[in-house]
Amino acid sequence: DAKTTQPTSMDCAEGRAANLPCNHSTISGNEYVYWYRQIHSQGPQYIIHGLKNNETNEMASLIITEDRKSSTLILPHATLRDTAVYYCIVRRYNQGGKLIFGQGTELSVKP
Amino acid sequence: NAGVTQTPKFRILKIGQSMTLQCTQDMNHNYMYWYRQDPGMGLKLIYYSVGAGITDKGEVPNGYNVSRSTTEDFPLRLELAAPSQTSVYFCASSGPRDRETFSGNTIYFGEGSWLTVV
Repeated sequence: DAKTTQPTSMDCAEGRAANLPCNHSTISGNEYVYWYRQIHSQGPQYIIHGLKNNETNEMASLIITEDRKSSTLILPHATLRDTAVYYCIVRRYNQGGKLIFGQGTELSVKP
Repeated sequence: NAGVTQTPKFRILKIGQSMTLQCTQDMNHNYMYWYRQDPGMGLKLIYYSVGAGITDKGEVPNGYNVSRSTTEDFPLRLELAAPSQTSVYFCASSGPRDRETFSGNTIYFGEGSWLTVV
């Protein structure tokens, strides 16, 4: 499985965009990029996923570079409730579609 | 539609005891997963299943067993509990990749089961 590298922690001012980077330089053509977040010890919450095109939903945008070796999750207007650990994960469907979590980025949104 | 339901939510076990964590989903998902999360750490995959009757080991399977007799249920069995198994356990489920659009599918997580072995 391709591994991901994320910064350990980041800060963001409330109301500003939060840009969370992820490196997945060994990603293969059949692996998807997923983003999840976890608030305290709750179950991980799905945010967004993509294969090679940029994606947007009501929570966030996902920008994947053309070579697919890195991606950025964008929370357009961060709020205090967005404070959480964010996980960038690559998922391969021919291996049972399992998600292998790394350490994630601890995002702190500050007033 | 309840999603992914785990029971019990909290449990204290004595060393050497056994127990089963129950997980059920009502979304007709064929993929199911068990993860554990130790304090301050990321989630580690214990076992997963791609359909009824099929299971496979994840990253940290030792000390655990699973079965998948139905699409809905994926119980996790702890035999001879040890303090190292004190953790939060998450069950998850997902549908398959869309064969026509090749779009991935969301993995839905349960609320977690807190297990302490003393």
